[in-house]
Amino acid sequence: DQQVKQNSPSLSVQEGRISILNCDYTNSMFDYFLWYKKYPAEGPTFLISISSIKDKNEDGRFTVFLNKSAKHLSLHIVPSQPGDSAVYFCAAGDSGGGADGLTFGKGTHLIIQP
Amino acid sequence: EAEVAQSPRYKITEKSQAVAFWCDPISGHATLYWYRQILGQGPELLVQFQDESVVDDSQLPKDRFSAERLKGVDSTLKIQPAELGDSAMYLCASSLTSGRSYNEQFFGPGTRLTVL
Repeated sequence: DQQVKQNSPSLSVQEGRISILNCDYTNSMFDYFLWYKKYPAEGPTFLISISSIKDKNEDGRFTVFLNKSAKHLSLHIVPSQPGDSAVYFCAAGDSGGGADGLTFGKGTHLIIQP
Repeated sequence: EAEVAQSPRYKITEKSQAVAFWCDPISGHATLYWYRQILGQGPELLVQFQDESVVDDSQLPKDRFSAERLKGVDSTLKIQPAELGDSAMYLCASSLTSGRSYNEQFFGPGTRLTVL
């Protein structure tokens, strides 16, 4: 039972355009969400996060939108750059107790084409 | 810049052998996590430590896996005996504390395990 779903295994976007990566979750206990970026042979790198009390968080070229009623979040990258080519993981957490390991989606491979 | 250190980066072993992975979290980070990432999947939590205590090991296959963080700093994850299905990337992460709204976890480079 996958609690965090990234339904697009890959996404190809032209350089300079907007990249939109989507994520759905099923567990209502999740109250914060994070996006990580991963290059091959490296560990995930934190990009941006959002709490369930917000519907938008922005950091430079990266914006995360959260729709709680739909249990859906998205990451927007504008403008897309060649260095953005990587696998992007959506992750969710529950801050209600001491055990707060993150639940990850399967990832979306973003390819930025010149 | 502070980083999570892991060693070895790559490990090849034969099934039924024992393997061990080491992790040194960012200095001052009380919470340490071990994740396993199978190719094509997202990381899955194996065990979480708060200082030297285990907070969550519900997903750790305890018949063959063990983890310790004796002094509440660095940690070791062991597999004995290794099986073919254990081939994966083993990731260590740390955070300042747990139970916060924004639990930003910092990941190490991982150990790529191949079991032959």
